[in-house]
Amino acid sequence: DGGITQSPKYLFRKEGQNVTLSCEQNLNHDAMYWYRQDPGQGLRLIYYSQIVNDFQKGDIAEGYSVSREKKESFPLTVTSAQKNPTAFYLCARDPLFRTGRTYEQYFGPGTRLTVT
Amino acid sequence: GNSVTQMEGPVTLSEEAFLTINCTYTATGYPSLFWYVQYPGEGLQLLLKATKADDKGSNKGFEATYRKETTSFHLEKGSVQVSDSAVYFCALYSSGGYNKLIFGAGTRLAVHP
Repeated sequence: DGGITQSPKYLFRKEGQNVTLSCEQNLNHDAMYWYRQDPGQGLRLIYYSQIVNDFQKGDIAEGYSVSREKKESFPLTVTSAQKNPTAFYLCARDPLFRTGRTYEQYFGPGTRLTVT
Repeated sequence: GNSVTQMEGPVTLSEEAFLTINCTYTATGYPSLFWYVQYPGEGLQLLLKATKADDKGSNKGFEATYRKETTSFHLEKGSVQVSDSAVYFCALYSSGGYNKLIFGAGTRLAVHP
């Protein structure tokens, strides 16, 4: 799992409801990311966080919110303001500040969210 | 801005055929380059990487060489297997503004026995 877990694997919600996707890592890495993947497309960055209690918007942050209260956890909330929430959501970790390697990201297994 | 362009798929091959998936990039400076692989229903796995010009990344029989003169990072494998069927993503690491991966759209590979 690349040292990162996401739950649940499949999630179904009714339109107008907020939903929170879980992302946990156990390798004490500082940087964590959320991506969205749509069929036939590459990944797009939603939010990222490099330290606890701090996070930054990515390219498509509208309609999403995050928190980073603990280093190991970076939950993503898909709000009712997100117009097209059905997608595959991927969380990633990055040992950017902990190793001498260059900027590798390791991904969780993903959560497939379906909103009807 | 920085971007990655991959050849469109799907790429369909017979087992033991030679594979090339083209990837070109646009970036300032000297980005690190990556190939990721995604099997059906799963997250992405780092396949290989290269951090400077003329570096060759390799893993599991796959190779890619960082060509700065042609701004390319094409993925190759000499003999594909059915188990290589997946979607392959080329990516670059951009440090401008904030550190993030920029992905290509992905290329689906289907290998038949």
